Amino acid sequence: EADIYQTPRYLVIGTGKKITLECSQTMGHDKMYWYQQDPGMELHLIHYSYGVNSTEKGDLSSESTVSRIRTEHFPLTLESARPSHTSQYLCASSDRLQGSTEAFFGQGTRLTVV
Amino acid sequence: ILNVEQSPQSLHVQEGDSTNFTCSFPSSNFYALHWYRWETAKSPEALFVMTLNGDEKKKGRISATLNTKEGYSYLYIKGSQPEDSATYLCASCNQAGTALIFGKGTTLSVSS
Repeated sequence: EADIYQTPRYLVIGTGKKITLECSQTMGHDKMYWYQQDPGMELHLIHYSYGVNSTEKGDLSSESTVSRIRTEHFPLTLESARPSHTSQYLCASSDRLQGSTEAFFGQGTRLTVV
Repeated sequence: ILNVEQSPQSLHVQEGDSTNFTCSFPSSNFYALHWYRWETAKSPEALFVMTLNGDEKKKGRISATLNTKEGYSYLYIKGSQPEDSATYLCASCNQAGTALIFGKGTTLSVSS
């Protein structure tokens, strides 16, 4: 069982609210990722980090931001939620470069913006 | 940009049937191919990471093959069980450190 946790699992929130999706891992992995999955679609990488104070944007453009102040913690923030942000967000980590080794995933946060 | 295609989109089999799915990916600049199993209400879980042409990996009743020259991978499940019901995701990348590009997955349902 992977030691990577996401909270909340489900979130329904009103338009314009600021939200933070939490992701923590206890495996000591340097590399962490956020993926977004719209219904019936593929997982797309929106952010990644290769260590503390490192953050990069992924292939899919996102209005969200991330931070990496501690190795184990990689939160994702939306300053002003909109219905277009309704999606599932998955956090993952790995101990080596992306692609070269398996990724460990959290259970996801299903976000609905009304 | 990589485009990873999986087929079929969904599949329903009886307990004990053997089945297989296909993942196709661009063969140029290939680096690695991943298979994940994603059960409902759980996290995606890695099955295999494959890098070499002709590679074949096995975990219990599940096995996978890789053809990097023609750009496809097969996932086989022998003697399907209800607990095999899940969505199987394939993902490819063309360089270490670049994004994994995922397919939409194949959803398998096994009836007892």
